[in-house]
Amino acid sequence: NAGVTQTPKFQVLKTGQSMTLQCAQDMNHNSMYWYRQDPGMGLRLIYYSASEGTTDKGEVPNGYNVSRLNKREFSLRLESAAPSQTSVYFCASRDRDSNQPQHFGDGTRLSIL
Amino acid sequence: AQSVTQPDIHITVSEGASLELRCNYSYGATPYLFWYVQSPGQGLQLLLKYFSGDTLVQGIKGFEAEFKRSLSSFNLRKASVHWSDAAEYFCAVGAGGSYIPTFGRGTSLIVHP
Repeated sequence: NAGVTQTPKFQVLKTGQSMTLQCAQDMNHNSMYWYRQDPGMGLRLIYYSASEGTTDKGEVPNGYNVSRLNKREFSLRLESAAPSQTSVYFCASRDRDSNQPQHFGDGTRLSIL
Repeated sequence: AQSVTQPDIHITVSEGASLELRCNYSYGATPYLFWYVQSPGQGLQLLLKYFSGDTLVQGIKGFEAEFKRSLSSFNLRKASVHWSDAAEYFCAVGAGGSYIPTFGRGTSLIVHP
């Protein structure tokens, strides 16, 4: 049982390059989330998808786009990467219809030079 | 809007000593409360959760937390810390409906032998 799978685990980009971070969950969860984690800042929500076919902005959406491809997959795209987007990115999912916590992937460590 | 404060950025304890990590939240109604642990290079793992009922909740790895409505607190405790408990700990508060949890900035636990 894989849970939440993120790919890639590590990536180095040059400023201006584009990149898509992939996330897939096999728990049949309705809701999915993308966070970034920076030292001393905790987790900040970038975008979320409450259910298949819907997406909404979180706290720090600028410079990012998302696609809820189907119930399993939720991708995060950086169209023109900037050094300020160097961070660790976490995907999470949750069964919206019950009082359950989020399940997290192991993260993507992204460096932008 | 909901918010979470973890007053301690770092906590250092000796192995075998007791531990208490502080978490204060701000939310108008009864919140959903969570503690997560993050080991280096890993995603977040749920330690315990509180939704309703008994205000003292037991979690994995020997952790417990107590919900105190009058103090708006949800402190995490462990009677005897092991070296493997060294990690980052996050408190989170969520609300019903759309359920977008808010995370604290984290407390880094250092364990001395």
